[in-house]
Amino acid sequence: DTAVSQTPKYLVTQMGNDKSIKCEQNLGHDTMYWYKQDSKKFLKIMFSYNNKELIINETVPNRFSPKSPDKAHLNLHINSLELGDSAVYFCASSQASQAFFGQGTRLTVV
Amino acid sequence: AQSVTQLGSHVSVSEGALVLLRCNYSSSVPPYLFWYVQYPNQGLQLLLKYTSAATLVKGINGFEAEFKKSETSFHLTKPSAHMSDAAEYFCAVSDGAGGTSYGKLTFGQGTILTVHP
Repeated sequence: DTAVSQTPKYLVTQMGNDKSIKCEQNLGHDTMYWYKQDSKKFLKIMFSYNNKELIINETVPNRFSPKSPDKAHLNLHINSLELGDSAVYFCASSQASQAFFGQGTRLTVV
Repeated sequence: AQSVTQLGSHVSVSEGALVLLRCNYSSSVPPYLFWYVQYPNQGLQLLLKYTSAATLVKGINGFEAEFKKSETSFHLTKPSAHMSDAAEYFCAVSDGAGGTSYGKLTFGQGTILTVHP
């Protein structure tokens, strides 16, 4: 069973479109995150939720809107996609000291 | 605020040689430190972590790292490289227990390890 699963794995879309990435964890963790890995492989946190409550928002454009319907899910919706949004987006969850990552969603905006 | 610097974006070794990947951190609170490995087109896999217990930490695949507070370092080593170790390695730092950032990870820039036959 996959601990943290993201869908889709690949997403190709045109500029201006709206898209969503879904994430689910079956580890029973309280905290979930979205990280962005850019073309230079640099990883940076975007958002963190704890028990469905937003606790970290790292100056991400408001075109990005996370939603946590329950503790096991953290989805990422992106409006009006731009070329610069092309990246790999990783979902993660943690309890105590260790984070578990999903396999990533490679978003390509054309 | 926390930060991580990985010295050397590329490291190349021969199979069987020592692997040394360098990581220095900055943290205003006692840190938790991590090494993650990323294989091409895959997610991040935890190699090992330091969470304020033993300063020499052993991880998977024969890797280990030593926390040196005086040097603010957490270098990753492996005595003998295998071809399968070729990947990108990320050092990361988070707040320790009781921190206020809910385990948020701050990553270094990554080091690509190449292993030659």
